[in-house]
Amino acid sequence: QVHLQQSGPGLVKPSQTLSLTCAISGDRVSSDSATWNWIRQSPSRGLEWLGRTYHRSKWYNDYAVSVSSRISIDPDTSKNLFSLQLNSVTPEDTAVYFCARGLTRYFDLWGRGTLVTVSS
Amino acid sequence: EIVLTQSPGTLSLSPGERATLSCRASQSLSSNSLAWYQQKPGQAPGLLMYDASRRATGIPDRFRGSGSGTDFTLTISRLEPEDFAVYYCQQYGGSVPWTFGQGTKVEIK
Repeated sequence: QVHLQQSGPGLVKPSQTLSLTCAISGDRVSSDSATWNWIRQSPSRGLEWLGRTYHRSKWYNDYAVSVSSRISIDPDTSKNLFSLQLNSVTPEDTAVYFCARGLTRYFDLWGRGTLVTVSS
Repeated sequence: EIVLTQSPGTLSLSPGERATLSCRASQSLSSNSLAWYQQKPGQAPGLLMYDASRRATGIPDRFRGSGSGTDFTLTISRLEPEDFAVYYCQQYGGSVPWTFGQGTKVEIK
C-alpha cells in the first residue's frame, strides 16, 4: 500500500525559507509512471497546485508561475522522498501544504497535510 | 491558465436526496480531463472521479460523473451521511498548471 508521510516545521518567519519533505512508501520517487506534486490550500487561494518533479529517463520539474521564482521541488532517491523549498515567504504563503502523487495528471494519493504559518 | 467555476457554492440537502454539482471550465478540456475530489474537515482531498466519468477505486456507484468540453457534473444519486463534505473539480487538460475549482459544500439540511 502506498503512503506519503509529510514532515517539516509548522512555523516559518517572514523572508525565510519554507522546507517540507514527503517520504514515499510503497512506490518509488524515480517511478516512470508517477509524478510527485506539492499543492497548498488556504481560505483566500483555495487549492493551488505549486509544482511537481518526475522521472522519465531523466528528471523534470514544472512549477506554477505564481511561485516559480521562489520554489524548488527536488527528489532524493537515496531516501525515496521529495522535498519542497519555498523562499522569501510572506504571510500570504500561510496555508496547508499537501504532497500528492500524480497518476497521469490527476492526484490519486495525498499526504495528510502540514499547516505552515508564516509569522514573526 | 484554465479557470474552473463550481456551482452552487453550498448545497443544503437531506440524506437520501440527489445532489447535482456543476463545474464549468473557461476553455474546452481535451479528452475530458477533469477529476473530482471529496474533502472532509481536517483531511486531504480524496479522488472520486477522473477522466470526467471514471470512478476511482472503491468509490460507490451512487457517484456519477458526466460532461464534456467545458461543462461537467458530479451527481450523487442518494446522499449517505458520509457524503456531506466539500467537493472540488480539477482540470488536467493540455499543460500545467493544473487548476482546481473553488469547491461546493454539500451540507445537511
